[in-house]
Amino acid sequence: AQRVTQPEKLLSVFKGAPVELKCNYSYSGSPELFWYVQYSRQRLQLLLRHISRESIKGFTADLNKGETSFHLKKPFAQEEDSAMYYCALDRTIIQGAQKLVFGQGTRLTINP
Amino acid sequence: GAVVSQHPSRVICKSGTSVKIECRSLDFQATTMFWYRQFPKKSLMLMATSNEGSKATYEQGVEKDKFLINHASLTLSTLTVTSAHPEDSSFYICSASMNTEAFFGQGTRLTVV
Repeated sequence: AQRVTQPEKLLSVFKGAPVELKCNYSYSGSPELFWYVQYSRQRLQLLLRHISRESIKGFTADLNKGETSFHLKKPFAQEEDSAMYYCALDRTIIQGAQKLVFGQGTRLTINP
Repeated sequence: GAVVSQHPSRVICKSGTSVKIECRSLDFQATTMFWYRQFPKKSLMLMATSNEGSKATYEQGVEKDKFLINHASLTLSTLTVTSAHPEDSSFYICSASMNTEAFFGQGTRLTVV
């Protein structure tokens, strides 16, 4: 069964400190993984996806198939990074559609 | 990016009544939309896949007679919660994809009293 696990419900770090939000997945095929972010009073939005291999707002995430992980990292946290972060796996078989399985979410708080 | 709009943002209804939630893709067409449900402090759980011009596909454990989905056009999907009960109170979110990216509505908070 497809499953996404984010072990930390809450994570609090100081501004300027490194951040790592953990995500592990269970999927039989070749996974397509995403990180979504929800800032206060805003809708869910895509932060990054593993196939893009890009850095967005200083965040990166590397897919590690051996460890079935897709941890989100940022070397120097900023206060505006405070938000709810969801790791998600695409289980769709419909071309062009994203049928997502979400992790439980991690609320990241950056302290000044 | 593309915009997905839900209406209403909040609704309060009496137990036993039905309530309809709309999900619109404002600047693109979507043959497939998804409906999610989010319990307080919990993750989003996929409820169903809304297919334009055909029946919706429901996830295991989701009652299709209670959560009626209609995808009447390429820009509109509706979720009707029938005979609502307090346990149906939740945050409902829809999504539609464009260029392999999912875009989410702002969500609808349903409170059944």
